Amino acid sequence: GENVEQHPSTLSVQEGDSAVIKCTYSDSASNYFPWYKQELGKRPQLIIDIRSNVGEKKDQRIAVTLNKTAKHFSLHITETQPEDSAVYFCAASARGSTLGRLYFGRGTQLTVWP
Amino acid sequence: DGGITQSPKYLFRKEGQNVTLSCEQNLNHDAMYWYRQDPGQGLRLIYYSQIVNDFQKGDIAEGYSVSREKKESFPLTVTSAQKNPTAFYLCASSLGIVSDTQYFGPGTRLTVL
Repeated sequence: GENVEQHPSTLSVQEGDSAVIKCTYSDSASNYFPWYKQELGKRPQLIIDIRSNVGEKKDQRIAVTLNKTAKHFSLHITETQPEDSAVYFCAASARGSTLGRLYFGRGTQLTVWP
Repeated sequence: DGGITQSPKYLFRKEGQNVTLSCEQNLNHDAMYWYRQDPGQGLRLIYYSQIVNDFQKGDIAEGYSVSREKKESFPLTVTSAQKNPTAFYLCASSLGIVSDTQYFGPGTRLTVL
């Protein structure tokens, strides 16, 4: 099955700085890569996703890049704010496969200091 | 994700007891999932179901059971065979094969006393 590795496990940045979280995957058939944000005690919420037919996607301060050849994708948060503090999870799946499941990374605890 | 509900929010159980966690969705999603979350361990898949009356084991199915008798409901039973059941349990749903985007419920925190 797919194996998703996520780094770093913890990340601390000053407010206004950028934060980058990286993930690698093993299955070349994977073609859908979502990112979730989970605040303490809350449910994970989808913040952005990318499909394998594009290399980059942006949504305001958040962007995701995908390198299919190297099998890695990254989340970029610019102009970080204290409310960005949360655990972020990356995931991968082979969309359209009969298994229909996501494989998650172990998460990155992001702390933004004011 | 507001269309997925889980109950109860907190659940306490004594060792040796089975307990059932509820998950309901009104999003008309075909696929539903159960995850277990422990501190620092991310999301681990317990069971998932792509259609009614069918489900597959995930990565940590031992000690758990599920049913999918209705499209909108996917209850999870934590049996006494689960050695370390204290955790945060999350249910999710998606349209299915046509879209893997998963939306999560608010979770149930189970504590074994």
